[in-house]
Amino acid sequence: DTGVSQDPRHKITKRGQNVTFRCDPISEHNRLYWYRQTLGQGPEFLTYFQNEAQLEKSRLLSDRFSAERPKGSFSTLEIQRTEQGDSAMYLCASSPVAGVRQTQYFGPGTRLLVL
Amino acid sequence: QQQVKQSPQSLIVQKGGISIINCAYENTAFDYFPWYQQFPGKGPALLIAIRPDVSEKKEGRFTISFNKSAKQFSLHIMDSQPGDSATYFCAAIPTYSGAGSYQLTFGKGTKLSVIP
Repeated sequence: DTGVSQDPRHKITKRGQNVTFRCDPISEHNRLYWYRQTLGQGPEFLTYFQNEAQLEKSRLLSDRFSAERPKGSFSTLEIQRTEQGDSAMYLCASSPVAGVRQTQYFGPGTRLLVL
Repeated sequence: QQQVKQSPQSLIVQKGGISIINCAYENTAFDYFPWYQQFPGKGPALLIAIRPDVSEKKEGRFTISFNKSAKQFSLHIMDSQPGDSATYFCAAIPTYSGAGSYQLTFGKGTKLSVIP
């Protein structure tokens, strides 16, 4: 059983460019989450999917951010017109249908640097 | 508003000693409390978790103590080892259904250094 995977692991971009990150959850986990972690802070919730439905979005998710999970499997997080303040680690997590639904398993993250 | 307060911010412990990290929460709807361990450049890894219907949970060298009336919980690492050096995050999540019920709220983290 492989864990949550994320791609790319690192991304450097120039201000104003668009970036897209991918997350592959643990197989058969129907719940998927995106978090953002800045240096020296704990992760902050961005959005949550149950299967392909995006059920919750944080106010941190501005209009420049969009997330999708088209087939209820992998998910993408796109940031348009990146700003230097978007520099952070973007973490994906998934949780199972059965068992303790609150147990979220995190991927290795995508570290974004906006120059 | 920080809903989960974690202390200390950093901690230095000698090998073989006990590391203690404390957290306090405000939202009484929280009723699942996991701890995560994070190494530099890696994602958080689930370490141990507790529900408030028990006052203590132990897994190997890691123990969570929970005080529901005080809304506080703590992580104890017994016989601390240099390999335990990492950042530890407490977190909380409610188990009701509805808005906010799937968000983990994290503390700001404690950077633990275990020196030989």
